[in-house]
Amino acid sequence: QSALTQPASVSGSPGQSITISCTGTSSDVGGYNYVSWYQQHSGKAPKLMIYEVSNRPSGVSNRFSGSKSGNTASLTISGLQAEDEADYYCSSYTSSSASLFGGGTKLTVL
Amino acid sequence: EVQLVQSGAEVKKPGESLRISCKGSGYSFTSYWIGWVRQVPGKGLEWMGIIYPGDSDTRYSPSFQGQVTISADKSISTAYLQWSSLKASDSAMYYCARHESGSWIDWGQGTLVTVSS
Repeated sequence: QSALTQPASVSGSPGQSITISCTGTSSDVGGYNYVSWYQQHSGKAPKLMIYEVSNRPSGVSNRFSGSKSGNTASLTISGLQAEDEADYYCSSYTSSSASLFGGGTKLTVL
Repeated sequence: EVQLVQSGAEVKKPGESLRISCKGSGYSFTSYWIGWVRQVPGKGLEWMGIIYPGDSDTRYSPSFQGQVTISADKSISTAYLQWSSLKASDSAMYYCARHESGSWIDWGQGTLVTVSS
């Protein structure tokens, strides 16, 4: 299975909003509402930021939001802050009862 | 507080065997799937496989099927990832993570495996 498709990098200035896309197929992203997003700071373990497309775990800032349309899911970060600079990965459940990650997106806060 | 504590970094030679561990605490270990994720330095996350400690039901990514073995000992709330013959290409950071409803909800701190002659 190929990884879900994410842009390699995105950037934004403090206070701005950015959106990271995650494109799959009808056998994964498009077929299930089990898309999640992870933040990984350099040298650290990933952290769950969004689950089931648009839900935030307790403790995650409401500046982070998720959505899905067809085979593409999106993570939006509003009011960018320096601490948001990290790698972001999407993940989806698949029709073969597997889990698939995106290739990752490096967010740079200018 | 949920915690997943992984075993320490390993340095091995090609052809050697290895088992790394992940001990869960703060939740019912037998009630959640727990999986393993590989990250080659500078690269992305790759799902390797997952196990349900309650009944040892195990599933593997096609990319890792036959290459590794995932197991769990529910009596000590510990999951394992095992190689019988390591290759240099197995050098990576390995994370365990608790899985629920399609999401990896809690992560271990990672175990760095280095395979070099």
